[in-house]
Amino acid sequence: SQQGEEDPQALSIQEGENATMNCSYKTSINNLQWYRQNSGRGLVHLILIRSNEREKHSGRLRVTLDTSKKSSSLLITASRAADTASYFCATDAGGTASKLTFGTGTRLQVTL
Amino acid sequence: SQTIHQWPATLVQPVGSPLSLECTVEGTSNPNLYWYRQAAGRGLQLLFYSVGIGQISSEVPQNLSASRPQDRQFILSSKKLLLSDSGFYLCAWSVSSLPRVKLFFGSGTQLSVL
Repeated sequence: SQQGEEDPQALSIQEGENATMNCSYKTSINNLQWYRQNSGRGLVHLILIRSNEREKHSGRLRVTLDTSKKSSSLLITASRAADTASYFCATDAGGTASKLTFGTGTRLQVTL
Repeated sequence: SQTIHQWPATLVQPVGSPLSLECTVEGTSNPNLYWYRQAAGRGLQLLFYSVGIGQISSEVPQNLSASRPQDRQFILSSKKLLLSDSGFYLCAWSVSSLPRVKLFFGSGTQLSVL
């Protein structure tokens, strides 16, 4: 079953605007990760936030984590057409290996 | 640098035929290896993972099996494909010596079972 559920399922914005995607999950986690997938391609890791962290930045990306609400958000600032892709959150509950449970993803379309 | 190779990129197979998808990793030793499946417009479902040669853990009982004959080789197989086996299959690896790390994905195989 899916651990994470992203919201919205699809998002269309213009270049230069900010894009915010949300992720909710159900069980306790060790960390939460965000990945990007271009159409028909593999996933690329964007950022990892540990359960004892509340906010993390990487370039134009800002991730927040609220473990009390079991939710996370990914903010992409000053979006570009090249940011068009699907974005997935993935939770790691710990244990053997990095067995990530992925959400259903948000499809982001950035238009010129 | 580490790279992951997955092939073929696309595959069309009839129902009842066998399947073999191969994934190899270069530039690292003793990686953790994973097979995920992605249905159209959906998230990823973990099928199998391996922490060492010959060590396979199955996450979802189904028509598929996995093997790890060599340290950096991971194979996904089926003896008889079902229509429901269609999907986008992704191989991934992670560093085994570090806990709770990110995954590196291959480019995927689009499997259509007709």
